Amino acid sequence: DTEVTQTPKHLVMGMTNKKSLKCEQHMGHRAMYWYKQKAKKPPELMFVYSYEKLSINESVPSRFSPECPNSSLLNLHLHALQPEDSALYLCASSPRDRGSGYTFGSGTRLTVV
Amino acid sequence: SQQGEEDPQALSIQEGENATMNCSYKTSINNLQWYRQNSGRGLVHLILIRSNEREKHSGRLRVTLDTSKKSSSLLITASRAADTASYFCATEGMDSSYKLIFGSGTRLLVRP
Repeated sequence: DTEVTQTPKHLVMGMTNKKSLKCEQHMGHRAMYWYKQKAKKPPELMFVYSYEKLSINESVPSRFSPECPNSSLLNLHLHALQPEDSALYLCASSPRDRGSGYTFGSGTRLTVV
Repeated sequence: SQQGEEDPQALSIQEGENATMNCSYKTSINNLQWYRQNSGRGLVHLILIRSNEREKHSGRLRVTLDTSKKSSSLLITASRAADTASYFCATEGMDSSYKLIFGSGTRLLVRP
C-alpha cells in the first residue's frame, strides 16, 4: 500500500459544528503532516507528528486540534471554525530519511458556512 | 510560512515544447523536491535532489540545483497536454525537524 487516504473528500460545516478529518497510511512512515492550502496558493504547514508525538505546531489556532492515535492514523479535529478556514486540507507522510519524497493524500475540501 | 518564490507564476506552451520553471529559496537546505498538483487535489512527488547534487534526471524531467545562488530549476522536455498542472518546489532544512516548506508554485498550461 503506497497511498495516504483522507476522508471525507468534501465537508461543509457550520461555524458552531464539530467535525474531524481523518488520514491513514500503511507505509510504515513515522512522520505525518497536516497542510492547509487556499486556492492558487502553496500548501502551508500546520502540524508535524514524528513517532506519534506532536513535534511542530506552526502557530495554528486552537480551533484546529490534531491527534495521532497510532502510527497509521492522523486526525484533525475542527471546532468553531470561521469562513476564512475554508480550504483544502492535505495530509502527508514521510519515512523521515531525508532521501524520499513525501506522500500526499488527495485532500479534504472544507467549506465553513 | 513560504520558503521562496517560483517563476514564472504561470507558463503557457505548445505541446512538444520544453517547459522550464525556476525556484529560489531562502535558507540552507538538506534537499529540494518538486511536486505536481492537478486541479487543486493531492500533490505528487516528482523528484528529489540533495544539497550535494547539482543535477538529476528522471524520464522527461531534469532538475538542477545551485546552492550558492539558493536556486533550482525544473525542465520538462517534450511536454504533453497531460503535463498541465501546478508545479511546486519544496525544501527540507538542515535542522532536526522533518518538514517540507513549499515555494509559491508555477501554473503550467500545455496547449494541444
